[in-house]
Amino acid sequence: AQKITQTQPGMFVQEKEAVTLDCTYDTSDPSYGLFWYKQPSSGEMIFLIYQGSYDQQNATEGRYSLNFQKARKSANLVISASQLGDSAMYFCAMREVNTGFQKLVFGTGTRLLVSP
Amino acid sequence: EAQVTQNPRYLITVTGKKLTVTCSQNMNHEYMSWYRQDPGLGLRQIYYSMNVEVTDKGDVPEGYKVSRKEKRNFPLILESPSPNQTSLYFCASSLYSGQGYEQYFGPGTRLTVT
Repeated sequence: AQKITQTQPGMFVQEKEAVTLDCTYDTSDPSYGLFWYKQPSSGEMIFLIYQGSYDQQNATEGRYSLNFQKARKSANLVISASQLGDSAMYFCAMREVNTGFQKLVFGTGTRLLVSP
Repeated sequence: EAQVTQNPRYLITVTGKKLTVTCSQNMNHEYMSWYRQDPGLGLRQIYYSMNVEVTDKGDVPEGYKVSRKEKRNFPLILESPSPNQTSLYFCASSLYSGQGYEQYFGPGTRLTVT
């Protein structure tokens, strides 16, 4: 079974609008961490935001927020007020206690295109 | 500047010719890892290292070797590259391997094996 599922291969959004990128995960561990990374066309991987499984509040970092629904095992990334520079691939990833947190497992990514 | 560096950034080679991709970090991180990225598959972990002289296999270790003789360096070795190892490779590091430690990625190495 896929550990991390990103069902949206591509998303389109207009500048200044908000967009939600979906991520569901599969784990039986009580302790895990969820991460989102951005990969622009230049290829580098940029860390965006982190959510711990025990965190009571949704994580926020500037225009990025994580809609964490633990019972549904979803960790959707919300980008508010999209900018042209947000056009990129976005990856959801997870670290679990059953692997000693030694592995970072990635989803297949969502390509976001922001139009003027 | 805190960073992870990889060399070379681009490499075209032939089947069977041994090669090494270097990775170095200047953040005194204990944990380092190698990933390969292929279209439609996301990033998959090849090997990781918890500390000097401590390495272990990730999800796709076949055809690769690593070593961790110094804390800052974690080279990836392809003893006999094959075309199915054509990929984009990333080295990453984090302070520790715990739940909340984000990994910092190098710029990537694009490898083509003909």
